[in-house]
Amino acid sequence: EAGVTQFPSHSVIEKGQTVTLRCDPISGHDNLYWYRRVMGKEIKFLLHFVKESKQDESGMPNNRFLAERTGGTYSTLKVQPAELEDSGVYFCASSQLRRGYGYTFGSGTRLTVV
Amino acid sequence: ELKVEQNPLFLSMQEGKNYTIYCNYSTTSDRLYWYRQDPGKSLESLFVLLSNGAVKQEGRLMASLDTKARLSTLHITAAVHDLSATYFCAVDYSGAGSYQLTFGKGTKLSVIP
Repeated sequence: EAGVTQFPSHSVIEKGQTVTLRCDPISGHDNLYWYRRVMGKEIKFLLHFVKESKQDESGMPNNRFLAERTGGTYSTLKVQPAELEDSGVYFCASSQLRRGYGYTFGSGTRLTVV
Repeated sequence: ELKVEQNPLFLSMQEGKNYTIYCNYSTTSDRLYWYRQDPGKSLESLFVLLSNGAVKQEGRLMASLDTKARLSTLHITAAVHDLSATYFCAVDYSGAGSYQLTFGKGTKLSVIP
């Protein structure tokens, strides 16, 4: 089966611009998660979708971040306007069960804000 | 707030040697994951530990979980260069209504000939 796909793999934008990251989960996985790793820090939870509904967005840093999941399939994470501290690697993961035996991660999008 | 501490953060070891990575966490949890990440790649699931005393082995890697001590270990036996990667432990914890992973900072392992 195809894994979790994220694109772009890299993005370099200027402060104040908008960037949209995309995640395609494994087909049939209702649960989709976004995580990010800021340089030198831990990988941190951002939010969790069940199908198209946001189950938990407690990790979203502020209202410059907007996540959507169209029709319960792919998800987008928009940062508008981007700030320097938003630089990092954004990971997406999916799982079939809400608390399954594992989460499958994508390879991440490395975002650099200059 | 759940804290997950991994140590060491950097590990340089010679081929053929043994070493252990430690993962301590601050709140009761019955599910712990170990992941491996190669540069630019996704997080690859290595082990899922589901109960106290769980021990799992795959090749030269063995993971264990002690929920009473809130400690997991990843033991590397007779290291080879192919094991060079960053290893993360992550605790599955219910936050604001949702299970989510809380990660350690990762251990960057370099195996040298």
